[in-house]
Amino acid sequence: AQSVTQLDSQVPVFEEAPVELRCNYSSSVSVYLFWYVQYPNQGLQLLLKYLSGSTLVKGINGFEAEFNKSQTSFHLRKPSVHISDTAEYFCAVRGGATNKLIFGTGTLLAVQP
Amino acid sequence: GAGVSQSPSNKVTEKGKDVELRCDPISGHTALYWYRQSLGQGLEFLIYFQGNSAPDKSGLPSDRFSAERTGGSVSTLTIQRTQQEDSAVYLCASSLGLREWGYTGELFFGEGSRLTVL
Repeated sequence: AQSVTQLDSQVPVFEEAPVELRCNYSSSVSVYLFWYVQYPNQGLQLLLKYLSGSTLVKGINGFEAEFNKSQTSFHLRKPSVHISDTAEYFCAVRGGATNKLIFGTGTLLAVQP
Repeated sequence: GAGVSQSPSNKVTEKGKDVELRCDPISGHTALYWYRQSLGQGLEFLIYFQGNSAPDKSGLPSDRFSAERTGGSVSTLTIQRTQQEDSAVYLCASSLGLREWGYTGELFFGEGSRLTVL
């Protein structure tokens, strides 16, 4: 069965500092990985995805993630965060022939001035 | 409509009552999903509909929960005899099917229905 682990429930960071949000997955089949973002009082929107090809994926708002098969990880990074990046970030995995996404418990990114 | 529409946006009910939550997916999307979002629990998968196939109900937490999708479009999630632990935000999402032209893997989410059971 597929599963996703987001070890950090909350990540505080100062504005303009770099950030990495960690995501590890478990799956016995080929995987497709996603990061979604949920801004305060809003719905979820797709940040970026890995389906195939280059393991370095670039998304919206300057975020990127790297698929690492040997470490079963898909960590999200941004070199310099803004106050407006404060949100909850969810990692998700889809495996095999199903369209169903399994989400992690989320990481709250709190950007401080 | 342009996006996934859910109603009601907020629902307060008394323990033991039944509730129905509605989801209107993006036109043309054959796949529809229900998730539950609780504090500290992330997004918990509930049920997934794909076209005319039998739904994947593996995430429904108890037999008090059921969902249907009529005519391949609108879906209703029903919770019978609500309990306080059912309080959460219920999110609906839709997408193209896995093998459909234009499929990107992205799920499009609605704003959610916040359920409070007193």
